[in-house]
Amino acid sequence: GDSVTQMEGPVTLSEEAFLTINCTYTATGYPSLFWYVQYPGEGLQLLLKATKADDKGSNKGFEATYRKETTSFHLEKGSVQVSDSAVYFCALPPNPNSGNTPLVFGKGTRLSVIA
Amino acid sequence: NAGVTQTPKFQVLKTGQSMTLQCAQDMNHEYMSWYRQDPGMGLRLIHYSVGAGITDQGEVPNGYNVSRSTTEDFPLRLLSAAPSQTSVYFCASSYGRSGANVLTFGAGSRLTVL
Repeated sequence: GDSVTQMEGPVTLSEEAFLTINCTYTATGYPSLFWYVQYPGEGLQLLLKATKADDKGSNKGFEATYRKETTSFHLEKGSVQVSDSAVYFCALPPNPNSGNTPLVFGKGTRLSVIA
Repeated sequence: NAGVTQTPKFQVLKTGQSMTLQCAQDMNHEYMSWYRQDPGMGLRLIHYSVGAGITDQGEVPNGYNVSRSTTEDFPLRLLSAAPSQTSVYFCASSYGRSGANVLTFGAGSRLTVL
């Protein structure tokens, strides 16, 4: 079935370091792809999305490019801040043949940024 | 503020007790769902609903019941709590009846079963 695989964390970086969190997917066709972020003590919230191949989603300095050749949607940020400390989830819609189940999430990658 | 509201935020139960986690949204979203979040397991879907009067099972439905009598509310009932149900529960909603749309999440309900 459709699924996403994220790099396992935790990831610990110093402030202003470059961030990459890898996400690869298995899917039928070319679904939309999402990154969600969960700050401590909160629910998940949409960070960015891309709706078709070669699209780049961006928000709050984060970027991710939908690459169909490598079935990847890696999350990047050029200079992380302490406030970026959170858990990041890659997600995609389920296979249309599986009915109307909601988004399928990766297991999440915890990022800690130290000053 | 518009959004998804979950109550209670924290709850401690004894094994065998029952309770209901409440979820309400004021965005007129047709689609609602419940997930549980456990360390190392990510988010797992419990139940979901594509509209009032319609519910369906997700990946881990055993031990949980849901109903959808109104568009706004989607309560999750634990019939006889077990320690394995200790978790953080999230309710989420989205517009339309497709599972492919952006989800808006509540802040979560942390449940401990002793």
